[in-house]
Amino acid sequence: EAGVAQSPRYKIIEKRQSVAFWCNPISGHATLYWYQQILGQGPKLLIQFQNNGVVDDSQLPKDRFSAERLKGVDSTLKIQPAKLEDSAVYLCASSLRQGTNTIYFGEGSWLTVV
Amino acid sequence: RKEVEQDPGPFNVPEGATVAFNCTYSNSASQSFFWYRQDCRKEPKLLMSVYSSGNEDGRFTAQLNRASQYISLLIRDSKLSDSATYLCVVNGKGSARQLTFGSGTQLTVLP
Repeated sequence: EAGVAQSPRYKIIEKRQSVAFWCNPISGHATLYWYQQILGQGPKLLIQFQNNGVVDDSQLPKDRFSAERLKGVDSTLKIQPAKLEDSAVYLCASSLRQGTNTIYFGEGSWLTVV
Repeated sequence: RKEVEQDPGPFNVPEGATVAFNCTYSNSASQSFFWYRQDCRKEPKLLMSVYSSGNEDGRFTAQLNRASQYISLLIRDSKLSDSATYLCVVNGKGSARQLTFGSGTQLTVLP
């Protein structure tokens, strides 16, 4: 079974530029998550989708971050404009359904803002 | 207070040693508890769930104390391959019961 796919794996941008990350969850998984993991910290949930609807985006900095999952399958996370403190790994994860105990992570997209 | 707190370590132990990690959580309504493992520059992966009665998986033993809101992970007979960061995870607030991750405890097993 294919895992969670993410791209690009690595990205370096200058501050104030924009960047977009793409995620394709495990087939059949209704719930999709975007986490931000800053070096030395645990993953922090940015946004959770159930199919194509947003369940929780309370920790998403909405002035600069946006995410969508238009057809309920793959998802895009965008940052515009980027700040230095956005340097982190952006982890996409999926699970069969909301509230399930097991989520599966992709390998992550490593962002460096200079 | 953080929702999930862990001792960041690092823990440096010799092969064969027994090592224990602790974690506390703030939300008394949490119902599900886990340990995830994260290798360097890799994604987190589920190591084991933590049940109220305590549970064991080979060399790994997890325990939960709901009264103290405390979770532990014990690793016996440490192997070099156990070197990783161990993340304590608790299902968090809200109806969606999202998973909340601690900052992780770094373990290095030395030859």
